[in-house]
Amino acid sequence: AQSVTQPDARVTVSEGASLQLRCKYSYSATPYLFWYVQYPRQGLQLLLKYYSGDPVVQGVNSFEAEFSKSNSSFHLQKASVHWSDSAVYFCALSMGDYAQGLTFGLGTRVSVFP
Amino acid sequence: ETAVFQTPNYHVTQVGNEVSFNCKQTLGHDTMYWYKQDSKKLLKIMFSYNNKQLIVNETVPRRFSPQSSDKAHLNLRIKSVEPEDSAVYLCASSFYRDWGAETLYFGSGTRLTVL
Repeated sequence: AQSVTQPDARVTVSEGASLQLRCKYSYSATPYLFWYVQYPRQGLQLLLKYYSGDPVVQGVNSFEAEFSKSNSSFHLQKASVHWSDSAVYFCALSMGDYAQGLTFGLGTRVSVFP
Repeated sequence: ETAVFQTPNYHVTQVGNEVSFNCKQTLGHDTMYWYKQDSKKLLKIMFSYNNKQLIVNETVPRRFSPQSSDKAHLNLRIKSVEPEDSAVYLCASSFYRDWGAETLYFGSGTRLTVL
């Protein structure tokens, strides 16, 4: 069975600092990978997705992620965070099967302090 | 810009009552989902529908029943709620492509509190 692990439940960073959120997946084939963000009392919003090709994908709001097949990872990064980046970030996996949806990690809560 | 609409935003009820949540998407998608998000933020798929046909029906209590009138609407009924049903219920939609994964678009959720 497939799974997604986000090892860091909480991350605290200062405004202007860089951010890296870790994501490891378990799946026998190459999955489709996503990062979503959830702001307080809101639904999930897509940041970026990886299907194939260039392992570095660019997303909204200057986020980027790097896929590594050898490490089974899909880490999210941002060079300089803003206080508005405070949210919960979810890594998710799809096997590409018909209407099966996504398997999510437990999320990483990011707090950005001024 | 919100394109998956959920009502109500919040609902407080007592054990044993029946509740219904509505979801509508205006994206022209053909697949809709219900996810449950618990207090620890864990997201688990409950159901998926494609063109009004039930595709995924995860192991959820029988008191939960999805209802789809057309591909743009997917409602969720809970008959006789229990305290453990307190959660945020997220509706999502996608457009199925046979060449790869679907990107899910989520509504803002319905927060259910069972007293």
